[in-house]
Amino acid sequence: GDSVTQMEGPVTLSEEAFLTINCTYTATGYPSLFWYVQYPGEGLQLLLKATKADDKGSNKGFEATYRKETTSFHLEKGSVQVSDSAVYFCALSDKAGGSEKLVFGKGTKLTVNP
Amino acid sequence: DAGVIQSPRHEVTEMGQEVTLRCKPISGHDYLFWYRQTMMRGLELLIYFNNNVPIDDSGMPEDRFSAKMPNASFSTLKIQPSEPRDSAVYFCASSFDPRGGRYGYTFGSGTRLTVV
Repeated sequence: GDSVTQMEGPVTLSEEAFLTINCTYTATGYPSLFWYVQYPGEGLQLLLKATKADDKGSNKGFEATYRKETTSFHLEKGSVQVSDSAVYFCALSDKAGGSEKLVFGKGTKLTVNP
Repeated sequence: DAGVIQSPRHEVTEMGQEVTLRCKPISGHDYLFWYRQTMMRGLELLIYFNNNVPIDDSGMPEDRFSAKMPNASFSTLKIQPSEPRDSAVYFCASSFDPRGGRYGYTFGSGTRLTVV
């Protein structure tokens, strides 16, 4: 079935460092891909999305490009801030896979130190 | 809209007691999801509804768990009897589109359940 694999956390960075969180997927069809963010004590929020190959989703300085050839959707940010400390979830939806709902990865916890 | 509203925010109960978690989805969203989050297992989908009808409850751990959606603006997740291993954060989410669509899922702030 469909699945999402994220890099193991936790990830600890200093402020203004470059961030990459890896995400790869397995899907039957041609999925849509998402990144969600969960700040401490809150529910998940949609951060960005991409629906077709080579699409780049972006929001709040974060970017991710849909790479069909490598089945990847890595999250990047050029200069992280303390306020970016959160748990990040990669997710997919795949109509061809027969699953009507989002499939989430396990999440990667990011801590940014001042 | 005030978003997805869950109550209570925190619940501490004794083993064997009944626990009821509540959720009010965003008005107009046809889909409602219940998730459980723990350190060990991450985010697990328990059940979801479409137009108040349960569609997939394969994630419900056992018969002690039940969920209802009597109308479009209210859903409950009940655990009876509760056990310490049920301790987790329970999230409710709603959406126009089960595949995420343009706006994704909107999550509530969760209920942190502790069973002692």
